[in-house]
Amino acid sequence: GAVVSQHPSWVICKSGTSVKIECRSLDFQATTMFWYRQFPKQSLMLMATSNEGSKATYEQGVEKDKFLINHASLTLSTLTVTSAHPEDSSFYICSAQGGETQYFGPGTRLLVL
Amino acid sequence: GDSVTQMEGPVTLSEEAFLTINCTYTATGYPSLFWYVQYPGEGLQLLLKATKADDKGSNKGFEATYRKETTSFHLEKGSVQVSDSAVYFCALRSGGYNKLIFGAGTRLAVHP
Repeated sequence: GAVVSQHPSWVICKSGTSVKIECRSLDFQATTMFWYRQFPKQSLMLMATSNEGSKATYEQGVEKDKFLINHASLTLSTLTVTSAHPEDSSFYICSAQGGETQYFGPGTRLLVL
Repeated sequence: GDSVTQMEGPVTLSEEAFLTINCTYTATGYPSLFWYVQYPGEGLQLLLKATKADDKGSNKGFEATYRKETTSFHLEKGSVQVSDSAVYFCALRSGGYNKLIFGAGTRLAVHP
């Protein structure tokens, strides 16, 4: 089946620094990728939809200047958490649209100290 | 707007027990329906899907039938294993949009 990878799988950073998370579709091309955030024992919250070659579409309440998304190619989207703070600590999951199905990455756990 | 409602967990079962996790939805049009599974510390994996009414999705012994009349997509398995312990998410995708709408998730714990 289709494989989506994320890197890094976990990251610890100091408050005020920026963190970049990569999402790659390994064996298929994805015009559209999605970024989700998941709090402990909760469902996934869609943050933004990333379209190759155009600006991302952010969900209501998500700060676009804080969560920068770049979809540079048909196999790569990046999420940069700028000036991270402890409240940004979470599990970030990406997915890539392959046909009718979204394929999810394994997630990136971010801890901001 | 479109929404998905799942039965609350956690669901605790003994090995080889029968599993049902209820899922109902509200949507305009004719959505596609999905079940995803999340094992501890991992991302979501597609378990099964159905794209039109009366379709039955099945995988790894799990199955779910798209019931338009009851707007439901209940997940069932005849005999669960300890390795099935995970969180199960029901989701829908509205026609014309790629966005997935997830239910709250149901945690399943299977004991030997």
